[in-house]
Amino acid sequence: DSGVTQTPKHLITATGQRVTLRCSPRSGDLSVYWYQQSLDQGLQFLIQYYNGEERAKGNILERFSAQQFPDLHSELNLSSLELGDSALYFCASSVATGAVGDSSYNSPLHFGNGTRLTVT
Amino acid sequence: SQQGEEDPQALSIQEGENATMNCSYKTSINNLQWYRQNSGRGLVHLILIRSNEREKHSGRLRVTLDTSKKSSSLLITASRAADTASYFCATERTGGKLIFGQGTELSVKP
Repeated sequence: DSGVTQTPKHLITATGQRVTLRCSPRSGDLSVYWYQQSLDQGLQFLIQYYNGEERAKGNILERFSAQQFPDLHSELNLSSLELGDSALYFCASSVATGAVGDSSYNSPLHFGNGTRLTVT
Repeated sequence: SQQGEEDPQALSIQEGENATMNCSYKTSINNLQWYRQNSGRGLVHLILIRSNEREKHSGRLRVTLDTSKKSSSLLITASRAADTASYFCATERTGGKLIFGQGTELSVKP
């Protein structure tokens, strides 16, 4: 058990809809990351938050947004859903801040078991 | 875009044999990490090697890093059926982004 909790495990929705995926990081971790995994694109980094602030951005669509709350849980909002958004969405956490020179910089990620999103 | 590229894409071996997976990357890195994923599950961190390290061991795992060739290898010795999974290399760049490769699918037959 990684200590990272993601809900829901499965989500089936229709095109055009909006969904929210939730993540609770491992106790003590201040950084949260979101990844999308699909067969054709592999594991794509979406976004990283550290202690409530956006720290790094990857291939995140404008239709997608995320935030990290004061209690450190994070939500990924996906709107105007398309068939191609069907994928596994993973949340991960770590002690890393993303700041160059930080002693926690070289830190592993701890992944949740993901939310499987199916858009029909 | 993917930073790391694993080779081979798929590998099938018998129990007891060694499995070697390779990873190549394009830009300078702070560290390189290897992860394992069982089908449909979250990734599990295996080992992290820093850019100033050349080799690292953890149990039956041995990882090498050659920054001049921008490549790494993961060796699993005396493989077991339970090692069947996908293995990913990931490179950490400045700013903390961890970018994953496409993975190697390892099948260990009993």
